[in-house]
Order: sequence, then C-alpha cells, then structure tokens
Amino acid sequence: GENVEQHPSTLSVQEGDSAVIKCTYSDSASNYFPWYKQELGKRPQLIIDIRSNVGEKKDQRIAVTLNKTAKHFSLHITETQPEDSAVYFCAASNRGGADGLTFGKGTHLIIQP
Amino acid sequence: EAGVAQSPRYKIIEKRQSVAFWCNPISGHATLYWYQQILGQGPKLLIQFQNNGVVDDSQLPKDRFSAERLKGVDSTLKIQPAKLEDSAVYLCASSRYTDTQYFGPGTRLTVL
Repeated sequence: GENVEQHPSTLSVQEGDSAVIKCTYSDSASNYFPWYKQELGKRPQLIIDIRSNVGEKKDQRIAVTLNKTAKHFSLHITETQPEDSAVYFCAASNRGGADGLTFGKGTHLIIQP
Repeated sequence: EAGVAQSPRYKIIEKRQSVAFWCNPISGHATLYWYQQILGQGPKLLIQFQNNGVVDDSQLPKDRFSAERLKGVDSTLKIQPAKLEDSAVYLCASSRYTDTQYFGPGTRLTVL
C-alpha cells in the first residue's frame, strides 16, 4: 500500500518569512495530493490540492509543487502570518481522489511574532 | 450548505465496553469515509463506502470494528469490545466521487 513521509515534524519561522513542508510517496499510481490544515481540536480543512497532470499550483500565499519522477511534493507558504500556525498534513490517493487518503504524520508550523 | 455532522463529540468508556459513532454526510455526497486519528499522527483510513456499498475496508480491524451505511446516507461505526489503543479521534468525511473530502468535527474516544 501507499506510504507517505512528511518532513519536518516541527517548523518554526518568523512572521513574514516563508515556510516549506516536504512529502514523499511510495505508490507510483497515486495521482491526487491534497494538503490539509488542522488547528488544535478542530477538523482537518483542505487548503490546496494538486493532481498528477500538473506540476505546480498556486492560491494567493500558498503553492504546491509536484515532482512525479521523484515522487515528491511540497507545500510553500509565503509571507507567513500568526493565523498560519497549525498542523499541516500532506496526503496521497489514486483514482483521482476517489480512494481514501493516505496521510503523512504532520508538520507543526509555529509562526514566531 | 451544511457540513458533515458527527455525534457524539466526546465519549469515555471502560475497556471491553462497546461504543458507536454516527455520521451524517453532506447532502448529495455518495462517498463516505471513516478515519482514525491517534494523537500526534495523521488520519488513517478505516473504511470507505460508495453509496451503501463498501469500497475499501482493508485497514478495519474486523474482529472488533464494524460499520454500516444503510440507505446510502448516514453511517455508524461500532467498536466492540474496545481496547486501550482505540483511544483516538474518529473522523468521518464525505465527497462527491473524485472531489475534495470534507471532514466532520470528529468524535474523541477515551478508553480507560
């Protein structure tokens, strides 16, 4: 089955700086890669996703890149703000997202004022 | 549009007792998922339904866990008997076929 590795487990950045979280996956059949943000005690919420026919996707301060050859995808957050503090999870799925998601272990992002 | 609803929000039981969780997906979402999230980890898929049929239950501990989705709408997940290691948040999610999975608020289970 699919295995998703996520790094780092904790990331502390100064407000206004950029943050990068990296994930690798094992199953070459995976073709859908969402990122979820989870605040303490709350439900995971989708912030951005990318499908395997696209190499990069951007939404305001958030971007995701995908390298299918290396089985690697990354989340980039620019101009970080205090409200970006949360745990971020990457995930992978095949059949375009119709299957269940395999999640990474999460990255605790801390924005220092 | 109402989100995914789950109940109860919290449950505390003794080991070897039984417990059941309920989920109501977003209206019109044919696919329903149950995930288990242990503290400090990412969610792990337990079972996936498409309408009222099971698509994937390969990670469901079938000796103690069961789930059903009658009439292709609401779903229940049951644990019988519970073990200490079942302490976790149980998340329900729903989606249209290949669209975004939307999560409910979860049920936090503590097994003593």
